[in-house]
Amino acid sequence: AQSVTQLDSHVSVSEGTPVLLRCNYSSSYSPSLFWYVQHPNKGLQLLLKYTSAATLVKGINGFEAEFKKSETSFHLTKPSAHMSDAAEYFCVVSEPNFGNEKLTFGTGTRLTIIP
Amino acid sequence: NAGVTQTPKFQVLKTGQSMTLQCAQDMNHNSMYWYRQDPGMGLRLIYYSASEGTTDKGEVPNGYNVSRLNKREFSLRLESAAPSQTSVYFCASSEVTLANYGYTFGSGTRLTVV
Repeated sequence: AQSVTQLDSHVSVSEGTPVLLRCNYSSSYSPSLFWYVQHPNKGLQLLLKYTSAATLVKGINGFEAEFKKSETSFHLTKPSAHMSDAAEYFCVVSEPNFGNEKLTFGTGTRLTIIP
Repeated sequence: NAGVTQTPKFQVLKTGQSMTLQCAQDMNHNSMYWYRQDPGMGLRLIYYSASEGTTDKGEVPNGYNVSRLNKREFSLRLESAAPSQTSVYFCASSEVTLANYGYTFGSGTRLTVV
């Protein structure tokens, strides 16, 4: 069975400093991994995805994530935080299941940007 | 560029009342999903429809029913609302059930049951 753990429920960083949101996953197979972002009172938007190609994945708005199989991690990073990055971020995993894959969401990390 | 449209955006129900949440997508996607979002629990799958004419239970289906009316529309019905169903509900769609295609989400319905 697949699962995902977001290690921090809240992260606060100053504007212009690096962002690190941590995610560990569990999967019996080669998973697909995603990061979604949710701005206040909005739907979820796909930031980036890993689907067994390059282990360093670049997404929108300067975010990137690195798939590390040995550590079962998929941490999200950004070199320099912007005020508009304040949002909730979800790490998501999906296992192969004969065309019937479904997403399993982490509990979310709320990112606060300090001016 | 409508994407996935959910109605209503907000709703307050009394315990025992019924209602239907509507979802429509204009991307010609085959698969559609209903999730609920509760504080500290991420999103949990209620029901999904891999294609027109099929529906299947997700992680938390109790107390809900769904209808895949056509390829565009996928509705979620609460027959007898309970306070435990107070939540934010999201509809999503994808081209196929292969998750690596990514999902497109609606903006949500905030439901309060009193």
